[in-house]
Amino acid sequence: DTEVTQTPKHLVMGMTNKKSLKCEQHMGHRAMYWYKQKAKKPPELMFVYSYEKLSINESVPSRFSPECPNSSLLNLHLHALQPEDSALYLCASSQDFGRGGSPLHFGNGTRLTVT
Amino acid sequence: DAKTTQPTSMDCAEGRAANLPCNHSTISGNEYVYWYRQIHSQGPQYIIHGLKNNETNEMASLIITEDRKSSTLILPHATLRDTAVYYCIVRPMEYGNKLVFGAGTILRVKS
Repeated sequence: DTEVTQTPKHLVMGMTNKKSLKCEQHMGHRAMYWYKQKAKKPPELMFVYSYEKLSINESVPSRFSPECPNSSLLNLHLHALQPEDSALYLCASSQDFGRGGSPLHFGNGTRLTVT
Repeated sequence: DAKTTQPTSMDCAEGRAANLPCNHSTISGNEYVYWYRQIHSQGPQYIIHGLKNNETNEMASLIITEDRKSSTLILPHATLRDTAVYYCIVRPMEYGNKLVFGAGTILRVKS
């Protein structure tokens, strides 16, 4: 069990669909992250939110749109995805984004398949 | 950011200590050494981190050499549930730092 909850666990969507991934934490953390992980590869950072503001966008295509409605919630809106976007999407949180000594805590991810 | 080098894979007998090495020869004085693991179909799990001193918690021990150019993660009594990919990561202290994963080591614990 983790303290970062991601829903849904699995998602299958067509290339014309719009869907959203959700992430929630109640640890009082002020930094939240989205990572993408392809099969047999390490996780890759996509976005970082700090105090509900977008701090880092790792040149992610605009068909991925993050949103942080409040300090406990993080969404990833998906639109017009391609089959190569199929991956495990991981959410993480940390106490803050200001210090390297603040560990990230990960959820178990949403496994996305784009058909 | 400093890079890390880890063996691709290792085997360990159940009940024995698992010693996972990591080389980070270009680490700077303001960078932490972090260890995470990822069990199949789960998210990465934080294990431990350190700066200069050796660290121990309920999961593992982290031994950092005096010159900080390498470290070893020790799982004192490995179980089958410790089979996972173990990532050694160097992470800067300053604001805006990122946690960047490398390829990691596949640890197989065998009975």
